[in-house]
Amino acid sequence: AQKVTQAQTEISVVEKEDVTLDCVYETRDTTYYLFWYKQPPSGELVFLIRRNSFDEQNEISGRYSWNFQKSTSSFNFTITASQVVDSAVYFCALRNYGGATNKLIFGTGTLLAIQP
Amino acid sequence: GAGVSQSPRYKVAKRGQDVALRCDPISGHVSLFWYQQALGQGPEFLTYFQNEAQLDKSGLPSDRFFAERPEGSVSTLKIQRTQQEDSAVYLCASSPLAGGTDTQYFGPGTRLTVL
Repeated sequence: AQKVTQAQTEISVVEKEDVTLDCVYETRDTTYYLFWYKQPPSGELVFLIRRNSFDEQNEISGRYSWNFQKSTSSFNFTITASQVVDSAVYFCALRNYGGATNKLIFGTGTLLAIQP
Repeated sequence: GAGVSQSPRYKVAKRGQDVALRCDPISGHVSLFWYQQALGQGPEFLTYFQNEAQLDKSGLPSDRFFAERPEGSVSTLKIQRTQQEDSAVYLCASSPLAGGTDTQYFGPGTRLTVL
């Protein structure tokens, strides 16, 4: 079965603090993709990153970084020097490769509140 | 360029009414997905189109839900005889290719409230 777990329901930090959002996934497939999306109050899901299962290299994009570890089935997301504009719900998602339907399996999301 | 658009953004229906939700995908995108997002939850898959062909409707919760994409571009999700449990945000996403090696881009969603 495919499953994504985001154990942190809500996180609140003060601006400029670093914060890590956890994501643990389950899949029997050897080839798959992992995603992070941001959902601000406006409701639209904003794509942040896609990572395939063969690429465990960590990635950094500005204040954002991602740590992919197949050994622990985790794909964690860190925001460095957080800002109020980072406040949103963040979703981790899993998708297998090569099926007829490439639906995303989402976690339940983490509500991140950055206090000024 | 323009992203995925959805209309209406908000819809209030009385129980038993039929509703139609529209999705305009990014121009040229082959794949189109519908998801349902209940309050406080992650989106859940409803159905998938590759051009005009509905290849997967396994996520549709009942036969009251129907989706179409007759010309391979705009899609409509129709819910007949709405029930209170249908209240949710309905998200549409599109991606450029068939076969799913690419990223899905989401619209702003339609928030449906059934009274």
